[in-house]
Amino acid sequence: AQSVTQLGSHVSVSEGALVLLRCNYSSSVPPYLFWYVQYPNQGLQLLLKYTSAATLVKGINGFEAEFKKSETSFHLTKPSAHMSDAAEYFCAVSVRGSYIPTFGRGTSLIVHP
Amino acid sequence: KAGVTQTPRYLIKTRGQQVTLSCSPISGHRSVSWYQQTPGQGLQFLFEYFSETQRNKGNFPGRFSGRQFSNSRSEMNVSTLELGDSALYLCASSHGQNTGELFFGEGSRLTVL
Repeated sequence: AQSVTQLGSHVSVSEGALVLLRCNYSSSVPPYLFWYVQYPNQGLQLLLKYTSAATLVKGINGFEAEFKKSETSFHLTKPSAHMSDAAEYFCAVSVRGSYIPTFGRGTSLIVHP
Repeated sequence: KAGVTQTPRYLIKTRGQQVTLSCSPISGHRSVSWYQQTPGQGLQFLFEYFSETQRNKGNFPGRFSGRQFSNSRSEMNVSTLELGDSALYLCASSHGQNTGELFFGEGSRLTVL
């Protein structure tokens, strides 16, 4: 079975600062990895996904994530935070043969002016 | 292409009542999954339907049920509502291939009084 751990339920940054949201996974087979974003009172929207191609994945809104097998990590980064990035971010993992991804508990990103 | 549509968006029920939520997936998607989201438990998987058959099931009591129609639209039903059923119920659709990438609706927010 696979699992995901998101370090930090809340992350606070200043506008213009680097955003780093941490995600570690556990999987006995090669994983598929995802980051989703949820704005208030909305559903989840896919930011980016890793499906065994390039280890550095670029997503929407300037976000990117790097798959590091040796560290079992898939951290999400953005060079410069914007007020509109304030939202809940979820990391998720699935494996071939499993149709249901496992989600982390989420990290709330707070952006200060 | 239209996204995943959930109805109703908001509803209030009292304990003991039942509720039915509806989900229309993206055209061409044959898999529909349902999740319950609460502040305390995060995203919890309820069940997944593919081609009118329940393919996966989470760890919820039998009061929670669902079905999928031939046009891939899905409904979930919660009977004998409890206060703890208050949550955002999210529907997600996919092609049904095993990558785990999901497309979410905006959710139905259920409040049980």
